Amino acid sequence: QKEVEQDPGPLSVPEGAIVSLNCTYSNSAFQYFMWYRQYSRKGPELLMYTYSSGNKEDGRFTAQVDKSSKYISLFIRDSQPSDSATYLCAMSAGGYNKLIFGAGTRLAVHP
Amino acid sequence: EADIYQTPRYLVIGTGKKITLECSQTMGHDKMYWYQQDPGMELHLIHYSYGVNSTEKGDLSSESTVSRIRTEHFPLTLESARPSHTSQYLCASSSPQGSEKLFFGSGTQLSVL
Repeated sequence: QKEVEQDPGPLSVPEGAIVSLNCTYSNSAFQYFMWYRQYSRKGPELLMYTYSSGNKEDGRFTAQVDKSSKYISLFIRDSQPSDSATYLCAMSAGGYNKLIFGAGTRLAVHP
Repeated sequence: EADIYQTPRYLVIGTGKKITLECSQTMGHDKMYWYQQDPGMELHLIHYSYGVNSTEKGDLSSESTVSRIRTEHFPLTLESARPSHTSQYLCASSSPQGSEKLFFGSGTQLSVL
């Protein structure tokens, strides 16, 4: 079983929709949770970073971490065509432990 | 914006050739990483370095080698390319204060014929 499972998608939504992207994990030692956005033919870029449980909001993006359920989510409000990309969740136990990535969810927002 | 550069962006090469993928960063980060990414698959760590003269193999077995002679430079070398090496290679770096926050280059798409 993979340490991190991510809904593969792809997702296709109309402009303005609320998008929910999710990952589950099995390692209870994970404390750092991230979402990376990757445009086609580009490297991933850090979008959201959360330590431990709770919510974090940045503009149209909200990251949620539920450690009791081992479940993290990224919500995108008022989605735009420029949000079309692959979204990768990543997590780590910190220290010298490595980042573990999900396989990514491809999102397409059409006008 | 992160300053981490990879060259070449695309490389098509024949089997048996020696190749070096270049990665440089201007942020003074001690930690650098090489990941391999295939379509629809997770990023897999193949090499990492915590500083000059420090290199380690990652979780995914790889026939490539790396070197870290200067802080800003972390090249990856394949002595004899094979079709199984066809993949996207991503270089990344992070600072000691935020080692979970990776800055990625744009990647090198390698195709071995």
